Amino acid sequence: DAGVIQSPRHEVTEMGQEVTLRCKPISGHNSLFWYRQTMMRGLELLIYFNNNVPIDDSGMPEDRFSAKMPNASFSTLKIQPSEPRDSAVYFCASSYYRAAYEQYFGPGTRLTVT
Amino acid sequence: QQPVQSPQAVILREGEDAVINCSSSKALYSVHWYRQKHGEAPVFLMILLKGGEQKGHEKISASFNEKKQQSSLYLTASQLSYSGTYFCGTEATSGTYKYIFGTGTRLKVLA
Repeated sequence: DAGVIQSPRHEVTEMGQEVTLRCKPISGHNSLFWYRQTMMRGLELLIYFNNNVPIDDSGMPEDRFSAKMPNASFSTLKIQPSEPRDSAVYFCASSYYRAAYEQYFGPGTRLTVT
Repeated sequence: QQPVQSPQAVILREGEDAVINCSSSKALYSVHWYRQKHGEAPVFLMILLKGGEQKGHEKISASFNEKKQQSSLYLTASQLSYSGTYFCGTEATSGTYKYIFGTGTRLKVLA
């Protein structure tokens, strides 16, 4: 079985540009999580979906960030406009039903905003 | 509030044991443990639910004391493959789906 798939793996963009990160969860999983990891702040939960519905987006830093899950097999995290402080590794993870089950992380997208 | 892990870093020789602690200022319902190798994604090790259970995974086990709002990860007879950063993830209330990850513990096992 393929694990969680994220694209792109690396993204370098200039400040002010729009960035879209993509995630395909493991088939059959119905919870999806977006995390951001930096040296300063560690691993932070940004938003999670259950059955394609956003449940809690309180971790989203500001209005420049938005996430969608149009169907069970695809999710996007968009940053518009991007800023240098958004530079981080963004992970997508999925699990079956709820967080009490193990979360499977994707390989991450390393975002650099110059 | 982010759970605090201790120690921040530890260096072991192969075969030695280690304990990593995770403390929360909030009451906990469950605790996840993950290991992340450099440049890779976190990998799930185990979950402990409220009830004080202890679990094991190969030579790695963990305990959860909800009264003390603490969990500990025990690494026995460490192997080179155990090197990485260990994170605890805590959930305060069942069903919130909201995991807050700890500060991390860097573990290095030397031959």
